[in-house]
Amino acid sequence: DAMVIQNPRYQVTQFGKPVTLSCSQTLNHNVMYWYQQKSSQAPKLLFHYYDKDFNNEADTPDNFQSRRPNTSFCFLDIRSPGLGDAAMYLCATSREGVEQETQYFGPGTRLLVL
Amino acid sequence: DQQVKQNSPSLSVQEGRISILNCDYTNSMFDYFLWYKKYPAEGPTFLISISSIKDKNEDGRFTVFLNKSAKHLSLHIVPSQPGDSAVYFCAAIAGAGSYQLTFGKGTKLSVIP
Repeated sequence: DAMVIQNPRYQVTQFGKPVTLSCSQTLNHNVMYWYQQKSSQAPKLLFHYYDKDFNNEADTPDNFQSRRPNTSFCFLDIRSPGLGDAAMYLCATSREGVEQETQYFGPGTRLLVL
Repeated sequence: DQQVKQNSPSLSVQEGRISILNCDYTNSMFDYFLWYKKYPAEGPTFLISISSIKDKNEDGRFTVFLNKSAKHLSLHIVPSQPGDSAVYFCAAIAGAGSYQLTFGKGTKLSVIP
């Protein structure tokens, strides 16, 4: 089945220790997204890649970076995690063209910062 | 400022009855709306969508209604089943070429057997 895969599902890191979250997709979609969702809040878009073009949301902290080495993979790097960065991180994909507004989500990675 | 609002954090419905989940928006540039369902420990799953050129879209037990003048949409689930128990998110997007989905905070639906 075509899908969006996120690893790991749970990640524990220490305050200030860099951490990388991974996302891969078998949908062959050209757009990939990273969202942050805190408890009882709406998912919030951090950035997205349109093909290789990186698009940062204006209010995304510099502490958050992303890499997309190829169509299938996208990484979220948090350079110096703070306690406030503990959240669920969701990866999503979409395809330009018909129904391009529909985004397909992975299961998420829950990040805990100690 | 919340541009997409789901004012009911939770809703309980008896199995077999209709579930109605509501969503209001403030941004008149939104022209495409989506509903996602989310089970615990899983990512949101796309359920149904509607373009602003329509006022209704149906898919099996799920129907979404859009009232543009009121900036309001609703999701109807008929008949409700226990497996429908989940958090439902309303989301909106503004204009062709926009990639930013704006989500509401979600409504937790509990369908009681």
